[in-house]
Amino acid sequence: QSILTQPPSASGTPGQRVTISCSGSSSNIGRDYVYWYQQLPGAAPSLLIYGNDQRPSGVPDRFSGSKSGTSASLAISGLRSEDEASYYCATWDDNVGGPVFGGGTKLTVL
Amino acid sequence: EVQVVESGGDLVGTGGSLRLSCSASGFSFSEHGLHWVRQAPGKGLEYVSGINNNGAERNYADSVKGRFTISRDNSKSILYLQMNNVGTEDAAVYYCVKGDYGSGLRGAFDVWGQGTEVIVSS
Repeated sequence: QSILTQPPSASGTPGQRVTISCSGSSSNIGRDYVYWYQQLPGAAPSLLIYGNDQRPSGVPDRFSGSKSGTSASLAISGLRSEDEASYYCATWDDNVGGPVFGGGTKLTVL
Repeated sequence: EVQVVESGGDLVGTGGSLRLSCSASGFSFSEHGLHWVRQAPGKGLEYVSGINNNGAERNYADSVKGRFTISRDNSKSILYLQMNNVGTEDAAVYYCVKGDYGSGLRGAFDVWGQGTEVIVSS
């Protein structure tokens, strides 16, 4: 059972906007930045969002992150087939004393 | 190019030991925290261990505490993970990850290696 809760799956059709939620608590999301990682099939994860809502260079602006209280969300607009991947949220947890990941959300583009 | 490359993954029997290595290049190795993250087959990401830039601060997941030891050699730009008393639950792909938050353990994981696989036989 992950400290950060994500829906195990999400889906959308090309062009649609989908959101993936990440729920935590006051000891993690409520205190620190949230990060999002994308893992394409068969590949290593890569950083998608840092600092709650910042995109590293090279990440399309179709991807956006937000945080409110003890929850965070990743939104993908203009969904494309190449967005089919697993998405993980992460942050620091003060109770654990280290980084924690959500269980991951597998996004399917129908 | 900034990159990290893992090695050392292998087949190991339960109770055995293994040392993973991670060679880094393209950035100031001694200025960044580094981490190991693992992924069991068909499962999600699990944080394993991290070490700050000078080795003075280390943390471990409860699942590996007392069995795994993280270390680094800044003169060689290499990160290590010594795995002792390995169990079937340790079977996974192990990723070496660079932290972006300067010297500490917090922050984003901005560079990932391709991973090295540890297989555990009972």
